[in-house]
Amino acid sequence: SQKIEQNSEALNIQEGKTATLTCNYTNYSPAYLQWYRQDPGRGPVFLLLIRENEKEKRKERLKVTFDTTLKQSLFHITASQPADSATYLCALAFIWVVTNAGKSTFGDGTTLTVKP
Amino acid sequence: NAGVTQTPKFQVLKTGQSMTLQCAQDMNHNSMYWYRQDPGMGLRLIYYSASEGTTDKGEVPNGYNVSRLNKREFSLRLESAAPSQTSVYFCASSPRPDSGNTIYFGEGSWLTVV
Repeated sequence: SQKIEQNSEALNIQEGKTATLTCNYTNYSPAYLQWYRQDPGRGPVFLLLIRENEKEKRKERLKVTFDTTLKQSLFHITASQPADSATYLCALAFIWVVTNAGKSTFGDGTTLTVKP
Repeated sequence: NAGVTQTPKFQVLKTGQSMTLQCAQDMNHNSMYWYRQDPGMGLRLIYYSASEGTTDKGEVPNGYNVSRLNKREFSLRLESAAPSQTSVYFCASSPRPDSGNTIYFGEGSWLTVV
C-alpha cells in the first residue's frame, strides 16, 4: 500500500532561517502533490500544488520541489517568521488509479516552530 | 462567503448513541469529503461524494454512513457510537473529483465517545 512519510514530527528553527520540510512516498508517483497548513484547532488550509511534470513551484516565501526519481517533495519557507509556526501536511493524489480516483492521501504532518 | 460549515463543533456521546454531523458548502463545489484526524494517524478519508447523487467509501468507512442531500450538503452519521470513533472530524469540498483541485476544509467537529 502507498505510504507517506513526513520528516520528524517536529522542526524547530530560528526566525529568519529557511525551514525545509520533507514528504517522502513509496510505490507510485502521484499525479499531484499538495501542501497544506494546519493551525491548532483549525482545519487544514491549502498552500501549494505541484504536478508530476513540474520540478518546482513558488509562492511568495514558499517553494515546493517534486522529485519523482527520489519519490520526494521538499517544502521550503524562506525568511521564516514566528507566524509560520503550524503543522504542515503533504497530500498525494493518484488520479490514474481507478480505486483512488478523486481521493487524496495525507501525511501525518510536521509541526514547525519558529523561535524569535 | 462561509466556505465549508460543519456542525456541531463539539459533541460528547455515550457508547451506542447515534448522531449526525452536518456539513454544507456554499462554493458550488461538486465533490465533498469526510475525514477523521487522530494523533499520529493523520487525516484519513471516511467517505466521499464525487458529485451530487454519488457516494463512495474511503479508507475507514466502518461504523459510518453518509448522505449527499443535495449539491451543498453532505452529512455523516454514526449509527452506534464507539469509543474508537473519538476523533476530530473534518468535512471538505473541492470543485471536481480530480484531486488536483484544492480541497477546502471546514473547521472541524470534536467528537468524544464515552
